[in-house]
Amino acid sequence: GQQLNQSPQSMFIQEGEDVSMNCTSSSIFNTWLWYKQDPGEGPVLLIALYKAGELTSNGRLTAQFGITRKDSFLNISASIPSDVGIYFCAGLPFEDDKIIFGKGTRLHILP
Amino acid sequence: EAGVTQSPTHLIKTRGQQATLRCSPISGHTSVYWYQQALGLGLQFLLWYDEGEERNRGNFPPRFSGRQFPNYSSELNVNALELEDSALYLCASSSTGGLVEQYFGPGTRLTVT
Repeated sequence: GQQLNQSPQSMFIQEGEDVSMNCTSSSIFNTWLWYKQDPGEGPVLLIALYKAGELTSNGRLTAQFGITRKDSFLNISASIPSDVGIYFCAGLPFEDDKIIFGKGTRLHILP
Repeated sequence: EAGVTQSPTHLIKTRGQQATLRCSPISGHTSVYWYQQALGLGLQFLLWYDEGEERNRGNFPPRFSGRQFPNYSSELNVNALELEDSALYLCASSSTGGLVEQYFGPGTRLTVT
């Protein structure tokens, strides 16, 4: 079945640094999504990407839908303490009505 | 407006027992999705209900089942619990056909001993 390879698994950064994480797959996807999950809560949708090559921003977050439809990245600029959490990529395949999730990138911010 | 709610928050069961988890969607949403989030893994799709019907199912054994009620709330039942069923079970809701715009609840933490 379809799988998403998300990297890195975890990141330790200093406050103010930029962050980059990505997701790749051997399958193509119709839609790419990026979620954030805070402790004790469900994931929250950050950005949705619908077209190959699309670059979308949401505040300090920027995400791109890869031109091959097999990958996506998420950048966070000038990280702040509230950015701590787990970030998940997810994709919606063309041929199935269920969202496939990556295993997540756990972001830690050092004081 | 209230978000997606789930109950109970925590559930402890022993192997072989049955567990029932409940979800109330956002008012006006007709679709409910269930996911399993095991430690260190991403979310695994379990079930999708819309307008009372099961629309799609993930790669889980038949002992994972559920239903959606006329008020669009939903139940997830897990029979013959196994240790590896221990996980956070997340429910999400969306308006009909809104696969992308899913709003998640806080989850039910199921522990099987």
